[in-house]
Amino acid sequence: EAGVAQSPRYKIIEKRQSVAFWCNPISGHATLYWYQQILGQGPKLLIQFQNNGVVDDSQLPKDRFSAERLKGVDSTLKIQPAKLEDSAVYLCASSLVPGQGEDTGELFFGEGSRLTVL
Amino acid sequence: KNQVEQSPQSLIILEGKNCTLQCNYTVSPFSNLRWYKQDTGRGPVSLTIMTFSENTKSNGRYTATLDADTKQSSLHITASQLSDSASYICVVRRGGYNKLIFGAGTRLAVHP
Repeated sequence: EAGVAQSPRYKIIEKRQSVAFWCNPISGHATLYWYQQILGQGPKLLIQFQNNGVVDDSQLPKDRFSAERLKGVDSTLKIQPAKLEDSAVYLCASSLVPGQGEDTGELFFGEGSRLTVL
Repeated sequence: KNQVEQSPQSLIILEGKNCTLQCNYTVSPFSNLRWYKQDTGRGPVSLTIMTFSENTKSNGRYTATLDADTKQSSLHITASQLSDSASYICVVRRGGYNKLIFGAGTRLAVHP
């Protein structure tokens, strides 16, 4: 079974530039998450989708971050303009619909996209 | 406030030794608790899940415990190997809200 795919793995940009990350979840997983993980910290939820609707984006800095999940499958996360403090690993995860069927709350993560803002 | 705290923040042990990682939570209502292992440069991978009715669960050399009364969990690693070097993240699921609360993780380094 194919896992969660993310690209690019690494990206270096200068502050005020823009960047986009792509994620393709595990087939059949209706829920998709974007997390920001700063070095030495645990992942912080940015946005959660269920199918193509937003469930939680309360911690997404909406003045510079945007995300979409067209057709309820793959998703993109965009940062524009980037700041130095956005340097982090952006993790995409997917899961079954929380609380339904065989869901136990397990998240399946991609390998992440490491962003360095200079 | 719903929080998950892990200790120690980092740990260095010699290969072959045992270690125990701690996770304390104040999440309510509690649904389940999961331990993830995150290798450097990779995404987290689930090691085990603990539900309210489970006290102890083993997965190879990993043994997790849960005390729902004191809201504490531990992950014990036996006979450590170099491949155990990773961050271990405790994640508590908040019942009824389908919210996942992440700890900051414990960074374990196993030296030869």
